Amino acid sequence: GEDVEQSLFLSVREGDSSVINCTYTDSSSTYLYWYKQEPGAGLQLLTYIFSNMDMKQDQRLTVLLNKKDKHLSLRIADTQTGDSAIYFCAARGSYIPTFGRGTSLIVHP
Amino acid sequence: DTGVSQDPRHKITKRGQNVTFRCDPISEHNRLYWYRQTLGQGPEFLTYFQNEAQLEKSRLLSDRFSAERPKGSFSTLEIQRTEQGDSAMYLCASSSVAGLSTDTQYFGPGTRLTVL
Repeated sequence: GEDVEQSLFLSVREGDSSVINCTYTDSSSTYLYWYKQEPGAGLQLLTYIFSNMDMKQDQRLTVLLNKKDKHLSLRIADTQTGDSAIYFCAARGSYIPTFGRGTSLIVHP
Repeated sequence: DTGVSQDPRHKITKRGQNVTFRCDPISEHNRLYWYRQTLGQGPEFLTYFQNEAQLEKSRLLSDRFSAERPKGSFSTLEIQRTEQGDSAMYLCASSSVAGLSTDTQYFGPGTRLTVL
């Protein structure tokens, strides 16, 4: 089945850009998602990209998709302390997405 | 659109007791999913419904777990004879496959279960 890998931690300074990376194994994945989870809360959908796109921008968020390498990234511009959270990448081929373990983003003032 | 809601938000129970959780999806969504999330992990799929039909169950869903969606709206997840290993966050999500919708899942706030 699908396997989704993410690095576990990322630490950045407030105002810098953050880049969170993700790799997946199933080349038939059609949708790729980024979710944000704050402590004790559910997952908040941030953005998603369809597999026929290679980039999507939404305000401070930029998603890049390299289908050949099965690599997805999420760039957060001008990172704020309120962006501190766990970010999950998910890949969906049919109807059930597979989630990574999450990247914990720590933003230092 | 009030989003996906779950009740209760927290549940503490003793080993061997039964517990039931409820999920109310976004009103026009016809698909509803249950996931389990343990510390340091992403959500793991348990089961999903399209309308009132339960279409798939993960091997994680042991025979102590049962889920229903009797009228195709809210859903319940029951765990019988709880074990300490059942302690986790139980997440519900819903999506729509009607028309041009993308079947993107929207999550509720979760129910955190602690089994003592």
